[in-house]
Amino acid sequence: DTGVSQDPRHKITKRGQNVTFRCDPISEHNRLYWYRQTLGQGPEFLTYFQNEAQLEKSRLLSDRFSAERPKGSFSTLEIQRTEQGDSAMYLCASSLGASIDGYTFGSGTRLTVV
Amino acid sequence: TQLLEQSPQFLSIQEGENLTVYCNSSSVFSSLQWYRQEPGEGPVLLVTVVTGGEVKKLKRLTFQFGDARKDSSLHITAAQPGDTGLYLCAGAWSGGSNYKLTFGKGTLLTVNP
Repeated sequence: DTGVSQDPRHKITKRGQNVTFRCDPISEHNRLYWYRQTLGQGPEFLTYFQNEAQLEKSRLLSDRFSAERPKGSFSTLEIQRTEQGDSAMYLCASSLGASIDGYTFGSGTRLTVV
Repeated sequence: TQLLEQSPQFLSIQEGENLTVYCNSSSVFSSLQWYRQEPGEGPVLLVTVVTGGEVKKLKRLTFQFGDARKDSSLHITAAQPGDTGLYLCAGAWSGGSNYKLTFGKGTLLTVNP
């Protein structure tokens, strides 16, 4: 297993455009998380899936953001009508089991909105 | 809002020196982790501590969890340039979601040859 994969690694988009990121977790992990990290800050929790069910969404996740995990495997995070404030590193992580132990992060998608 | 404070924010030292970085909160953690992150990459897990007073060692790195589970420290002995990176602590709060991590802002460590 190659770990958690995220695609693309970098995305530059114009303000107002829609973007979609993909995350492929470790295959046996049933839990998947999205975090966002801006410059000079630690990652902030966005949302959590257990299998295909989205069980928690942060208040950081505005109506322009939507995440899916249709078959309990890969996940997508879509941002509609991007704003400059959306520029950040979007990190995906996965884990197996009921605690934070075993969290594995992907390399992230760096989004720049111009 | 539960906050997790890390200090110092920046640290620049010479190869061979020892250093300690700190992670503090006013709330109790159920468990705490330390990560190392390099530019343009995701955080890589170094250690998870669960029990108050716990000490874990990973080669030249020593991690300590406070007795009250509100604080933690990371000590590096004889730092090397390869230790350069952003060190993040992250915790799951006691009585909160056991799967959700709250991160500090990190300590950016530079080890000069």
